[in-house]
Amino acid sequence: RKEVEQDPGPFNVPEGATVAFNCTYSNSASQSFFWYRQDCRKEPKLLMSVYSSGNEDGRFTAQLNRASQYISLLIRDSKLSDSATYLCVVKGRGSTLGRLYFGRGTQLTVWP
Amino acid sequence: GAVVSQHPSRVICKSGTSVKIECRSLDFQATTMFWYRQFPKQSLMLMATSNEGSKATYEQGVEKDKFLINHASLTLSTLTVTSAHPEDSSFYICSASGASHYTGELFFGEGSRLTVL
Repeated sequence: RKEVEQDPGPFNVPEGATVAFNCTYSNSASQSFFWYRQDCRKEPKLLMSVYSSGNEDGRFTAQLNRASQYISLLIRDSKLSDSATYLCVVKGRGSTLGRLYFGRGTQLTVWP
Repeated sequence: GAVVSQHPSRVICKSGTSVKIECRSLDFQATTMFWYRQFPKQSLMLMATSNEGSKATYEQGVEKDKFLINHASLTLSTLTVTSAHPEDSSFYICSASGASHYTGELFFGEGSRLTVL
C-alpha cells in the first residue's frame, strides 16, 4: 500500500466553483501534513500546512482527521490561476529531517 | 525565502553518456539534500538523501552506482546519472533542508528535465 493516496482527477471546474480534494495516508504515526502545488513542468511549492484543528488561508481550507488518516483541501471561488496539480504530502515518523512522502497529485483545471 | 537553484534545467544526451545535475542552496546551509525523480503523471519519488560530508542513503531499488551523489559542501550537492539510458529520462528535482528548517517545508530546485536519446 502506498504511503499517500490521492484521487488523480482530473477535476475540471468553472471559475467561481468550490472544489474539494481528498487524501489518505497509511502511517498512523505520521507527524506533519502539507498541501503542495505543482504547475506543469515546475517544481512543487508549499501551498499550506495542515493542522489538526483545521486551518484556512484565504480561499483555501485544509482539514486533518487523524482517526481516519484523512486530509482534505477545499478551494472556494476558484480562479483560473488555481489550475495546477495539488500534492498531498506527509512527513513520516522517525524519518530523517525533511523526509516527505508525496501523493501522485490531483489535477485541477479551472475554465472561464 | 530560501532559494535552491538547480542546473541545468534541461539536458538532452545520448545513450551511454553521463550527466551531472547540480543543486545549490543560495542563502542557507543545507545539511541535508534530497533527490527526487518524477515520471509523467506520477508522484515525486525519493531517490536518495544526502548529508554533507557523508555517503548518501539510497532508497530501495535505486542503484547507487548508477546515480552518484556527492554532497561535498553545505551549499552544493550533485547527482550524476552514469551511462544514461532512455528509461532514465525523467524530471529530477532536488530539495534542501537546513538545521533551521524543521517545519517540514522543503525548498525545491527548479528541476532538471533529462531526455536520453
